Amino acid sequence: DAGVTQSPTHLIKTRGQQVTLRCSPKSGHDTVSWYQQALGQGPQFIFQYYEEEERQRGNFPDRFSGHQFPNYSSELNVNALLLGDSALYLCASSTRDRGLGQPQHFGDGTRLSIL
Amino acid sequence: DAKTTQPPSMDCAEGRAANLPCNHSTISGNEYVYWYRQIHSQGPQYIIHGLKNNETNEMASLIITEDRKSSTLILPHATLRDTAVYYCIVRVADYGQNFVFGPGTRLSVLP
Repeated sequence: DAGVTQSPTHLIKTRGQQVTLRCSPKSGHDTVSWYQQALGQGPQFIFQYYEEEERQRGNFPDRFSGHQFPNYSSELNVNALLLGDSALYLCASSTRDRGLGQPQHFGDGTRLSIL
Repeated sequence: DAKTTQPPSMDCAEGRAANLPCNHSTISGNEYVYWYRQIHSQGPQYIIHGLKNNETNEMASLIITEDRKSSTLILPHATLRDTAVYYCIVRVADYGQNFVFGPGTRLSVLP
């Protein structure tokens, strides 16, 4: 049973460019969340997708956008890249929580470096 | 901001039990306690979660105090592979509620 998979594993971009990161959720999961993890810090929530719509958003600018496809996979897009966008980008999937406390399961992330 | 407080680092001897504390004094009645760990260069790995009762699985045990203001994650026989950053998170078990990570505890298992 494949877990959460993310691609690519590493990416190098320059300031001002745009990037797309991809995520396939764990089998049976319908909800995808994205997190940004700067070096030495805990992950910070970017946004969550369910039924192909953004349902919740953290404190990130509009340069960060996403999409969820009918097969529940998801993309994270970042425009006008800044040096400060260098981080590990994590995707997490889960089933829709109906009060039972379902955990999120994380992929190993995409390491994005901005030059 | 994270609703939990954890020591920044801890050491544990290989083969001994590792007891990782977490303070969540402002926890609400509908908030679960979750534990994740992150080994270098990997994504966070789910360990265990609970609401009121103590929980045990193949990885660890979670002990929650009766007033729910603190908890302890127990790794019964720590190995070198358990060296990681451990995150304690409280979260409402409801649609749309996401995980707020603090800095966690860096556990070093020593040979």
